[in-house]
Formats: sequence, C-alpha cells, structure tokens
Amino acid sequence: GAGVSQSPSNKVTEKGKDVELRCDPISGHTALYWYRQSLGQGLEFLIYFQGNSAPDKSGLPSDRFSAERTGGSVSTLTIQRTQQEDSAVYLCASSFLLAGGPGETQYFGPGTRLLVL
Amino acid sequence: AQSVTQLGSHVSVSEGALVLLRCNYSSSVPPYLFWYVQYPNQGLQLLLKYTSAATLVKGINGFEAEFKKSETSFHLTKPSAHMSDAAEYFCAVSDPGANNLFFGTGTRLTVIP
Repeated sequence: GAGVSQSPSNKVTEKGKDVELRCDPISGHTALYWYRQSLGQGLEFLIYFQGNSAPDKSGLPSDRFSAERTGGSVSTLTIQRTQQEDSAVYLCASSFLLAGGPGETQYFGPGTRLLVL
Repeated sequence: AQSVTQLGSHVSVSEGALVLLRCNYSSSVPPYLFWYVQYPNQGLQLLLKYTSAATLVKGINGFEAEFKKSETSFHLTKPSAHMSDAAEYFCAVSDPGANNLFFGTGTRLTVIP
C-alpha cells in the first residue's frame, strides 16, 4: 500500500471490554512499531516487531496489553479489560529495517483514537 | 538512557516570521535525531533526520535543523512561517542500534496571520 494504515480510526468502548487495533504496514517493511499518544504523556513506545518476533515487550504498560504480527505484515494490538486510562491515540509505524540504523525512518499511520467510557 | 526535552509546549509566530522550535537531548552515545510533524487528525510525518553526516540537515517544507553536539541540541528552524506550518512538532532520538524512538512532549506551533 501507499502508507501505513490503521483500523478502526475511532473506537469507543466500555470499561472492562476487550479491544483489538489493527495495523497494516507499508509493503516490504520488516519492522513494525506501536506507540501510544495520550494527553500529558506524549508519545510512548509500546512494542516493536522484527518480522513476526517481538524481542522486547517491556514497553507494554500492563499484562492487559498484547500484540502479535502474522506473516511479517499485519499486526494486532489487543487490550483486555480496558480501563479509562487506556484512552489514547494508538499509533503504528513501520520501517524497512530496524530503527537506529543509518537512514532508517519510521513511517507512521494515522492512528486509532480509543475512548474508554 | 535517551531523553528529549522540547522547550515550550506552545509557540506562536506571525506569518513570515522566523520559526524556532527547541530540542535538547541526552544520550550516552552520538544519537540519531529526528523531527516529525503532526497535522490535526493525521499521523506523524518525517520532516528531517540527522544520522551523523552533515550537522546542518535540510528537510521538507523549508525546515532545517542543526546538530550541535556541544549543546546537545537539535533545534528546528524555518526562515519564514506559513499558515500551513501550524501543527504539532515532535523531536525524537534514537541510539544507533536501538529499536525505538524516544519522543519529546511536542511543541504546538500557531501561525498568526
């Protein structure tokens, strides 16, 4: 595709429900990242994938958060038993290789705006 | 550990005036530095990046930034602001070999006609 896409664009849910957020990275990009953008917290790194593997899950805020990636492409971020403090914009990004290497750029999707009532 | 400080959560400039958005970083090694822009209801878009080549980096839309190691700074500038520059700007840092970006808290730029 032309860019990173995310769905849904907006999600309203009730406290205690589970939600799934989807990210379609740019075709051919091997690395995929999830960030959370919330008021007062700025942009917070959650997790990254290299291929289908997530070597470092320490950025996930609690064990209610999980993520997976299949086929080296689509990724799903799942939040179980949502809480009001989970309300935020969840951003996905992808890059050809891992960030930090010379020339590496992360390309961001438009985000999913999650509101937990 | 890396961190980024953006001085001024809100900056207002008149149309045609100089834009200066400040970014200071802390890192144990020479980092890679990025500026991203976020327009309302859109994702982040890369403006420019520093990856240990030239210290003065030119980006899109007339923006540029200069890496100053002695000041641990990577301030973003544009000589003449346009109305279309109104957005939120994020500075980010990544250590070489690291797997994620550390972002500043952002600066919202308002351009006054």
